Amino acid sequence: DAKTTQPPSMDCAEGRAANLPCNHSTISGNEYVYWYRQIHSQGPQYIIHGLKNNETNEMASLIITEDRKSSTLILPHATLRDTAVYYCIVRNYGGSQGNLIFGKGTKLSVKP
Amino acid sequence: DTGVSQNPRHKITKRGQNVTFRCDPISEHNRLYWYRQTLGQGPEFLTYFQNEAQLEKSRLLSDRFSAERPKGSFSTLEIQRTEQGDSAMYLCASSPRTNEKLFFGSGTQLSVL
Repeated sequence: DAKTTQPPSMDCAEGRAANLPCNHSTISGNEYVYWYRQIHSQGPQYIIHGLKNNETNEMASLIITEDRKSSTLILPHATLRDTAVYYCIVRNYGGSQGNLIFGKGTKLSVKP
Repeated sequence: DTGVSQNPRHKITKRGQNVTFRCDPISEHNRLYWYRQTLGQGPEFLTYFQNEAQLEKSRLLSDRFSAERPKGSFSTLEIQRTEQGDSAMYLCASSPRTNEKLFFGSGTQLSVL
């Protein structure tokens, strides 16, 4: 079972920041938070990951709370092409398990 | 940079037939993964390979499913005696080493009539 909880859907206006929350209250010390997104009819696409520090790349920013029980993915200026299902995943780093466990994700709709 | 390639993109078959899908990972990625996704659900892990060795199989991978990666490059996923419940998108992904980010293909959409 997925170890994360996400809202099933969110709307965002084009050009505004999209803030997608994720709850992972049972995360353990060696588990990272990963975010992927899936645009309709395509495979999932990696966005960003982090352990406890905030992370930023060309796609998004990841804010992880100090207790690591929740995080927020931020798309700073959402465009129509950011409409997708966003998956928050916690995963061991360095363990033998090689797979990702996806939940149902958050369907983000960016509206003009 | 060629991404993960999956063929065919779509497959329609009759119940009871065998089907085979192919995945070509990004070159030099030694890990290869298979996932299955049904409508409205997130992808579900099926199996993964490190080079040619199949290291983990999900309980979702019944006896009718077999995956191979004979030379540690491309992989095939075969489903024997297909059932309507096998209808899904079958996704392949690769990664360069343990626990690195996964790169997914666009999937093979299987419809069993």
